Parts: sequence; structure tokens; C-alpha cells
Amino acid sequence: QKEVEQDPGPLSVPEGAIVSLNCTYSNSAFQYFMWYRQYSRKGPELLMYTYSSGNKEDGRFTAQVDKSSKYISLFIRDSQPSDSATYLCAMLTDSWGKFQFGAGTQVVVTP
Amino acid sequence: DGGITQSPKYLFRKEGQNVTLSCEQNLNHDAMYWYRQDPGQGLRLIYYSQIVNDFQKGDIAEGYSVSREKKESFPLTVTSAQKNPTAFYLCASREQGALMNTEAFFGQGTRLTVV
Repeated sequence: QKEVEQDPGPLSVPEGAIVSLNCTYSNSAFQYFMWYRQYSRKGPELLMYTYSSGNKEDGRFTAQVDKSSKYISLFIRDSQPSDSATYLCAMLTDSWGKFQFGAGTQVVVTP
Repeated sequence: DGGITQSPKYLFRKEGQNVTLSCEQNLNHDAMYWYRQDPGQGLRLIYYSQIVNDFQKGDIAEGYSVSREKKESFPLTVTSAQKNPTAFYLCASREQGALMNTEAFFGQGTRLTVV
């Protein structure tokens, strides 16, 4: 079993809809949680970063962490065609640890 | 501007050849990483280095080699022992030991194809 599970999709939504992405993990030692966005043939770029349970909002993006359920989510409001990309979750046990990445979810926002 | 530069963007390798992928960063990060990305498999760790002149194998190190002679540079060699090298290769770096800003920064990748 992988330490981090993420549905690869693709997830297709109409423009303006809410995109809901999630990852589950098995290692309760993970403390740092990140979401990266990756456009085709490009390197991933950091979208959201959190090190605690609860919600964090940044513009149209909201990241949620539920450590008791070992579950993290990313919501994208008012989705745009430019949000079409692969979204990867990533986790760390501590600031000296190695990243564990999810497989990435491909999102397609149709006009 | 600070960042990570990978070169070349596209690389073609003949069977039996060794090729080297370049990764340079000017972020003053101690830790550097090499990942391989295949469709549907996410990022798999090949090698990582937490300090100059030291590096460790990741999950799929067989057929690869690295060096870390300078803080800024972490080249990856794909040897002829790697039987299925066609993939997208990503280099990353990050500041270790910090309570904040511990996320990884990625280069733009090198797409390696065996011909």
C-alpha cells in the first residue's frame, strides 16, 4: 500500500464549478502538507502549504487538513480553463524528511 | 531571479549510452532531489542530497548515479544499466531544518527519450 493515495482522474468540470481534490495517507507522522499544480511538460509549482489541521484559504483555493482522518483536500472555486492541470499532493514528516507525493489528479475545466 | 535550472529540456539517448542531466540552483538550498515522473505514477525519488559531498539512494536508484561536488549543482547520470529510461525527470531543492518555508522548488524538467 502506498503511503499517499490520490485518484489520478481525469476529473472534468464545467467552467465556474467547484473542483474538489483529495489525498489520503497512512503515516500519522506527516505534519507538513502541500498542493502543487503541474501544467503539461512543466515542473510542479507550489499552490498551498500548511502544517496544521484546519482550513487555509488563498484566493480561489482552499486547503483542508484533517489529521484525525488522515485526509487532505484542495478546493478550487469558480474554476477557469486555465486551472486545467495535474494537481499533486505532497507530505513531509518533518522539515528534515523526504517528500511523499501522491500520483496526481488530472483536472480538465471545460469552457 | 532565484530558481532551479534544468538542462537540456529535451534529450535523446541511444541504447547503451550514458547521458547526464544538469540541475543548478541559486536558492542557497542545502537539499536537492531527483525525481522521475511516468504517466499515472506520480513522482518517484531517484536520489537526494542533504549536503555537499553526500547523497542517498531514493526508491528507484538502480541505473542512475549522481554527484554533489558543489552546493549549487546536482547532476544526474542515466547509465546504460537503466533499462527503461524514457521519462520526465524533475530536479528539486529546498531549505532543510526550517520550521517554515520547507516546501520544494522544482525545475522545469528534462524529457529523456531512448531512440
